[in-house]
Amino acid sequence: NAGVTQTPKFRILKIGQSMTLQCTQDMNHNYMYWYRQDPGMGLKLIYYSVGAGITDKGEVPNGYNVSRSTTEDFPLRLELAAPSQTSVYFCASSSPMGEGNQPQHFGDGTRLSIL
Amino acid sequence: QKEVEQDPGPLSVPEGAIVSLNCTYSNSAFQYFMWYRQYSRKGPELLMYTYSSGNKEDGRFTAQVDKSSKYISLFIRDSQPSDSATYLCAMSGDGQNFVFGPGTRLSVLP
Repeated sequence: NAGVTQTPKFRILKIGQSMTLQCTQDMNHNYMYWYRQDPGMGLKLIYYSVGAGITDKGEVPNGYNVSRSTTEDFPLRLELAAPSQTSVYFCASSSPMGEGNQPQHFGDGTRLSIL
Repeated sequence: QKEVEQDPGPLSVPEGAIVSLNCTYSNSAFQYFMWYRQYSRKGPELLMYTYSSGNKEDGRFTAQVDKSSKYISLFIRDSQPSDSATYLCAMSGDGQNFVFGPGTRLSVLP
């Protein structure tokens, strides 16, 4: 059971380059999320999706874009990389909260450095 | 005032000690409360999940929620070196949007 899979695990970008962080889950979860984690700052929500074709902004969406064409995949796009986007990015998925349903399952992250 | 506050530590304890980790929050609408454990270079993994107030126990771990004080706790009994990690609290009002604390780094010394 793979759970939530993120690729790549590490990446170094130059300022102004673009890239896509991939996230896929095999638990048939409706909800998917992208967070960034900076030292001492906790997890900040970038974008989330409640189902295929539906996305919404989180707390820190500037500089990022997402799409959700399938239930399984939720890629995060950086169009013009900036040093402020150096961070560890986590993808998570969940079913709607309620009896018997568990909160978010996380991938192991993508470490991104912008130089 | 931050929405969720958590002492970042680091917290160092000897093996076998009882560990107490805490978070305070300001949003009275929160009703889902979670504790995650995060090892270095790994994603957070769910430890405990509580809905509304009360206690929940799972093995060596006990989660407490006091909504009247806006205060949640995680207790670890008989702590082990393998418990050394960062512990994140997380909360939600609607079960869809989650707010995380910054995490407390715990070291259990053999």
